[in-house]
Amino acid sequence: KNQVEQSPQSLIILEGKNCTLQCNYTVSPFSNLRWYKQDTGRGPVSLTIMTFSENTKSNGRYTATLDADTKQSSLHITASQLSDSASYICVVRGDYKLSFGAGTTVTVRA
Amino acid sequence: DTGVSQDPRHKITKRGQNVTFRCDPISEHNRLYWYRQTLGQGPEFLTYFQNEAQLEKSRLLSDRFSAERPKGSFSTLEIQRTEQGDSAMYLCASSFWRQGVSGANVLTFGAGSRLTVL
Repeated sequence: KNQVEQSPQSLIILEGKNCTLQCNYTVSPFSNLRWYKQDTGRGPVSLTIMTFSENTKSNGRYTATLDADTKQSSLHITASQLSDSASYICVVRGDYKLSFGAGTTVTVRA
Repeated sequence: DTGVSQDPRHKITKRGQNVTFRCDPISEHNRLYWYRQTLGQGPEFLTYFQNEAQLEKSRLLSDRFSAERPKGSFSTLEIQRTEQGDSAMYLCASSFWRQGVSGANVLTFGAGSRLTVL
């Protein structure tokens, strides 16, 4: 069973709207959680990384939150742009291994 | 340094042929990783190196797969006797790791090498 579950699997939003992606994990012990953006046909690019003590971190229009007690994270995209169309992957680091979610595919339409 | 480079970006081959992918990591990074990614899935770990030493191999890495990093810089991933199930994107990533360093080991990925086995 995958230790990192992401939802929804995919979503479509209109340009300018906001959206929130979810990541639930069971990885233990927990070291840090990262969100990556992967454009079609490209490698993943890091957006944010959060440790146990961090509840929120922003990178431009991307804001990630972390609740280490409930083992949940979210990635909020504000005022979406066409260039936000991509797959967003949640990655959790345990003691020494990385566990990848399957990703959420976001499609932004004009 | 322009990041992690992978070559070729695309490879189409016939079943049974051998293929080799190359990865050039960020020069100051001491760790190098290989992942495989199929459509709609997250990357799956294959193997990683610290300098020239191969420290871990996934059970996904069958005996047809071999990876090397002979001088601790670039790495190659070879797949022998390819099968249709090997069709995937092969991602390379590198990182700088040192024990106790905060924020260490954040992976930088290459653009990937897409393999299609006919």
